[in-house]
Amino acid sequence: EADIYQTPRYLVIGTGKKITLECSQTMGHDKMYWYQQDPGMELHLIHYSYGVNSTEKGDLSSESTVSRIRTEHFPLTLESARPSHTSQYLCASSEFSLTDTQYFGPGTRLTVL
Amino acid sequence: AQSVTQLDSHVSVSEGTPVLLRCNYSSSYSPSLFWYVQHPNKGLQLLLKYTSAATLVKGINGFEAEFKKSETSFHLTKPSAHMSDAAEYFCVVSDSTGGFKTIFGAGTRLFVKA
Repeated sequence: EADIYQTPRYLVIGTGKKITLECSQTMGHDKMYWYQQDPGMELHLIHYSYGVNSTEKGDLSSESTVSRIRTEHFPLTLESARPSHTSQYLCASSEFSLTDTQYFGPGTRLTVL
Repeated sequence: AQSVTQLDSHVSVSEGTPVLLRCNYSSSYSPSLFWYVQHPNKGLQLLLKYTSAATLVKGINGFEAEFKKSETSFHLTKPSAHMSDAAEYFCVVSDSTGGFKTIFGAGTRLFVKA
């Protein structure tokens, strides 16, 4: 079982609210990732990080932002949530390279009303 | 351009019969290929990965996949399905040439009948 945690697991929130999805890993991995997954659909990479103070945008454009101040922590923030942000958000990390095995957290299912 | 195609959105098998989940990919260079499994309300778990070593890759829970460059395929197989194999399976291609790219397939949902 990988040591990567996401909170909250489920979040229902109103339009316009600011939210932060937390992701933490205790494996000391440098590389971390955020994916967005709609029900029954593939995962889309929205952000990744090579290490502390590194953040990059992924393949899918997202209005969310991320930060990487500590190795173990990679939070994702939405300044003003909208119904179009309703989705599942999965966090992952890998040890060696960006193309290495990724270890996934359980996900946060976000619903914006 | 890099892409992954999982040829079946749903596969249904009876318990004890073989499983075949099909995946075709395209990549300009030598990619890394992965199969992940996702059980309901869980994160993804790695089943197996190919990184230019042996073309037949063995994974966890009796799964294996064969990398066939000439067919650009990386199909996932298991000789005998178990009820606990029912889940969503994702084929993934990844390479770092020309910038980091990891592409997930759309997923194949495996149903196992008793």
